[in-house]
Amino acid sequence: DGGITQSPKYLFRKEGQNVTLSCEQNLNHDAMYWYRQDPGQGLRLIYYSQIVNDFQKGDIAEGYSVSREKKESFPLTVTSAQKNPTAFYLCASGLLAKNIQYFGAGTRLSVL
Amino acid sequence: KQEVTQIPAALSVPEGENLVLNCSFTDSAIYNLQWFRQDPGKGLTSLLLIQSSQREQTSGRLNASLDKSSGRSTLYIAASQPGDSATYLCAVDLRSDMRFGAGTRLTVKP
Repeated sequence: DGGITQSPKYLFRKEGQNVTLSCEQNLNHDAMYWYRQDPGQGLRLIYYSQIVNDFQKGDIAEGYSVSREKKESFPLTVTSAQKNPTAFYLCASGLLAKNIQYFGAGTRLSVL
Repeated sequence: KQEVTQIPAALSVPEGENLVLNCSFTDSAIYNLQWFRQDPGKGLTSLLLIQSSQREQTSGRLNASLDKSSGRSTLYIAASQPGDSATYLCAVDLRSDMRFGAGTRLTVKP
C-alpha cells in the first residue's frame, strides 16, 4: 500500500518533555514537509527537506527539530522550547519536478 | 508576503444546491493553485490543481477557476451532497513553498 504514514495518531506531551512525531513515505518522493495546523488557521510550514541529509526552516521552526537520514523518513521532534505545542501536525511529501504535495493523516499533539 | 484568504469561513446549504467557495491571494506570481478537502481530524486530499497558465480545471461535480491578475480562485460544487461536508482549503504554490488559506467549513444538510 503506497502512501504517507504518520504515527502516532494522538500524542500527549508532559511539561519539559521532547516528543517525536514519525512520518514515513514509500512513494519515492524527494521532498518532505512538516506543517502545523491550528483551529481557524491555515497550515504553517515548520520544516522541509528536498534531499537526504538536508533540510530547511519554514516559517515557524523555533522549538522544533528534524532529521532526514533516509529518503523515506522525516521525523519531527517537538522540543521543550516549544511553549505552545498543542496542534494538529501534518506531514507531506512530493516530487520536486511536479510540485504536488501528498498528505498524511496527521498527528494530534496535546499537552498534559 | 503572500496572504491567502478564504471566504466564507463556514457555509451551510441544503442538499442539492450549487455553491461557490472563494479564495483570494495577494501576490499573482504563483506557480499553481490547489484546492484540498479535509475531513475532521484527517489529512488533506487534493481535489484540483490549476497551473498558473490555466483558467480552470474540472473533476466530476467540481470546477475550479483561476484569475491570476485579480488574485482570485473559486471552487464550484454542483448539486451538493451530504458527503461533501468537509473543510475546503486552497493553497498557492510559490515554488519555494506553499501558502494555505484557513479553509471554508462546508455543511450540506440532507
